[in-house]
Amino acid sequence: EAGVTQFPSHSVIEKGQTVTLRCDPISGHDNLYWYRRVMGKEIKFLLHFVKESKQDESGMPNNRFLAERTGGTYSTLKVQPAELEDSGVYFCASSQGGGLEQYFGPGTRLTVT
Amino acid sequence: GIQVEQSPPDLILQEGANSTLRCNFSDSVNNLQWFHQNPWGQLINLFYIPSGTKQNGRLSATTVATERYSLLYISSSQTTDSGVYFCAVYNQAGTALIFGKGTTLSVSS
Repeated sequence: EAGVTQFPSHSVIEKGQTVTLRCDPISGHDNLYWYRRVMGKEIKFLLHFVKESKQDESGMPNNRFLAERTGGTYSTLKVQPAELEDSGVYFCASSQGGGLEQYFGPGTRLTVT
Repeated sequence: GIQVEQSPPDLILQEGANSTLRCNFSDSVNNLQWFHQNPWGQLINLFYIPSGTKQNGRLSATTVATERYSLLYISSSQTTDSGVYFCAVYNQAGTALIFGKGTTLSVSS
């Protein structure tokens, strides 16, 4: 069974540009989560989807971040326009049900210069 | 919200030594996970352990939910055990994992 996959693995963009990150959850997992770790700090929750619906987006830092999960399969996280403080590693995770074990993807390392 | 504290923040061991990592949380939780972040940055699931004790090879974990802590035991450590160990618990709504700051383990040969 394939695990959670993320694309790209690395992205380097200039301040003000747009970047879109993609996450493919484990097949059959309705719950999908985005997290990020910036500047060596702790891993922080961004948002949670159940199928295509946003269940909790309390961790989204501001309106420059937009997450979608059309069709309830893969998800994208767009940052527009990117700022220097957005640099970090963005993780995606999925679980079979709410409150159950989460499995993480390898992460996307975003560098904004 | 729930606070998660891990100790020690850093740990240096010689190969073959044993260690205990601790995770304290500020409120009752239903679910707790331990992860190992390897040198390539990947988060590897170690244990999903809301309560009780589990073992997997040289690693074992115990969660005492009523006393709000969990312990991760590493026996006969190897250099490949190096990395950051994270503890994470679900928030009250069950919608997000709250992570501790991690314990950085360095095992030398």
